[in-house]
Amino acid sequence: GQNIDQPTEMTATEGAIVQINCTYQTSGFNGLFWYQQHAGEAPTFLSYNVLDGLEEKGRFSSFLSRSTGYSYLLLKELQMKDSASYLCAVMDSNYQLIWGAGTKLIIKP
Amino acid sequence: ETGVTQTPRHLVMGMTNKKSLKCEQHLGHNAMYWYKQSAKKPLELMFVYNFKEQTENNSVPSRFSPECPNSSHLFLHLHTLQPEDSALYLCASSQDGRGGPDTQYFGPGTRLTVL
Repeated sequence: GQNIDQPTEMTATEGAIVQINCTYQTSGFNGLFWYQQHAGEAPTFLSYNVLDGLEEKGRFSSFLSRSTGYSYLLLKELQMKDSASYLCAVMDSNYQLIWGAGTKLIIKP
Repeated sequence: ETGVTQTPRHLVMGMTNKKSLKCEQHLGHNAMYWYKQSAKKPLELMFVYNFKEQTENNSVPSRFSPECPNSSHLFLHLHTLQPEDSALYLCASSQDGRGGPDTQYFGPGTRLTVL
C-alpha cells in the first residue's frame, strides 16, 4: 500500500530552527509537496521537490532523498505565525497526491 | 487572498436534509478536486474533474454527488448524510490534472457538521 509518515506534533521556540520529517512509500514518484495549513484555513503551497537535494526559499527549505523515501522541511528563525500544520504529499505514478496526516507545529515564545 | 473560494464556510445539517457546497476558482485552471479532511487523518481525495469531465471517484458513497457545470465552478450535493461525514470539505484546483506534476491550490473549506 501507499503510505506517508510524519510526526503528529512538534514544539519549537520562537527564533529557533525546526526540521519536520516525512517518509514515504508510494507506487511511483512524481514529486513531493509541502503545504502549510493554519487552523481553519486553506492549505497553501510551500515547496515542490522532484530531484534529490535541498531547495531553499527564504526561511523555509525542503530536502528530498528519493533512494531512501525521505524528505524534510526546515524552518529557520521561527516566528509565532509559523504555528500551523505542515502537510507532506507525494505525487504517485498516476499523478495523484498521496497525503500524510500532517504535523502540527507549536511555536512557544 | 486565495483564488479559490468556497461557500458556505460552515454548515450544520440533519441526516435527512439536502444541501450543496459550492466552489469557485478564479485562476483559469482546468482541473478541480473535492477532498475530505478529518481530524488527524490524511486528506481523502473524493472527486476529480478535468475540463469539466469527472476523471476520478474514489469509492465515495452515493450520498455525495458532484457537479461541474464549467471549469470554474464545482458543487458537492449532499443528501441523507451520516454523522461520520462531519469533516472539513476542501476544494482545490490545478492548471491541468490530466498528467504531469501540477500544484493544487485550495479553498478555505466548508466545515460540515451532521447531527
